[in-house]
Parts: sequence; structure tokens; C-alpha cells
Amino acid sequence: DIQMTQTPSSLSASVGDKVTINCRASQTIATYLNWYQQKAGEAPKLLIYAASTLRSGVPSRFSGSGSGTSFTLTINTLQPDDFATYHCQQSYSTPTTFGQGTKLEIQ
Amino acid sequence: QVELVQSGADVKKPGASVKVSCKTSGYTFTTYTIVWVCQAPGHRLEWMGWVNAGNGDTKYSQKFQDRVTFTRDTSASTAYMELSSLRSEDTAVYYCAISLGGFAYGFDYWGQGTLLTVSS
Repeated sequence: DIQMTQTPSSLSASVGDKVTINCRASQTIATYLNWYQQKAGEAPKLLIYAASTLRSGVPSRFSGSGSGTSFTLTINTLQPDDFATYHCQQSYSTPTTFGQGTKLEIQ
Repeated sequence: QVELVQSGADVKKPGASVKVSCKTSGYTFTTYTIVWVCQAPGHRLEWMGWVNAGNGDTKYSQKFQDRVTFTRDTSASTAYMELSSLRSEDTAVYYCAISLGGFAYGFDYWGQGTLLTVSS
């Protein structure tokens, strides 16, 4: 199975900040990488698919980049609603696997 | 609009079985495969497998393949996940989800989750 590793595991930031979350795959996955946002008690929500394509309706302050084994989720100008846990997921091969999550907290 | 609504939280004793439902609406049920994902406390999201809502084909993860069964009722637009021989480590939130664009592009609609607690 492909192992997905996110860094950092947690992150403190303030409203208006820019943050980056990294995701590394244990083997190449081209651009088969998706990002989700999850708030406590809720299901994950798809933000970005294919590494850099923003899902319809997702604010443009979210962006994704990367290919191969290294990927980044960037959130520009953090809003109060952005404080949540973010997960990466590889959809290159079965079984699909997820990162351990990055919890973004208010500083 | 697409909606997946799951059955409510459940508490089971070790050794028992549980059946979680996922009722769908807003699209043609048989068009899309339904995946099941679980999330144990403090653990990452974990793919359990999928059921093809059209023909009933299934694929299970190695971890769960001996204890899980996915079924569907096309007349009710509902998918089911049954997990047997429950143990405390099965305490988790279980989600159903679909991908309108194909699995390669992520799971874009999710059920609200079903919390299963396994405790004696």
C-alpha cells in the first residue's frame, strides 16, 4: 500500500495568515492526490482533486500543487471557517490511502 | 441535490454484528459506486472497500475482507455495510461516499457518518 505522510501534524495560525500543509507519498502517484477539509463531528469535504483542481464552490484562497511524491495545500488569507483538520488522499492505486491529517488551530 | 443519509449511532457488544445503512437521493443510484471509509478515534481515514450500486460487485480491503459485507437495495437507493465479529478496535465513525467524477478525482459526496461503539 502507498503510505501518505502529512507535515505538520498540527499547526497554529491566525486569521489572515497564509499556511501550507505538505503531503508526501511513499511512491510516485503522478497527480492523483486529493485534499479534504474536516470539521469536528462532520464528514470530510473535498476541496481539491488531481493535486491542483479546485472543486466547484471552494474559495479561491485554497490552492494545491505538486506531482510525483510531494504535494502542498496552501491556504491564503486564513478565514475563521478554515480552522479544521485537513487530509490528503492518494487515488493512484487501490487501496486508496489517506494521510494522518493536519489540525489547523487558531493561534 | 445529492444526499447520503446514514443510520444512527449504535452500541454493540464484542462479538456482535452491525449493519449500517446509507440512503441516497438526488441522483440515479445505480450509476455510481459507493465506498465505505472508517475513522477510528485518533486514527486516519481508512478505506474499507466499495460496492458497485449497479451490479452489486464488491471489493474489500484486506483488513476487513473476512468480516465485512457490502450490499445494496436498488429499489430503496440504499447501500449497507455489515461488520461482524466486532471488537473494541472497531469503535469508529463509518462513512459512505460517492465520486461523481470517478474515484481518481476524490469522493465528493459523503454521508454524515455513523458512530459505532463496541463495548462490553
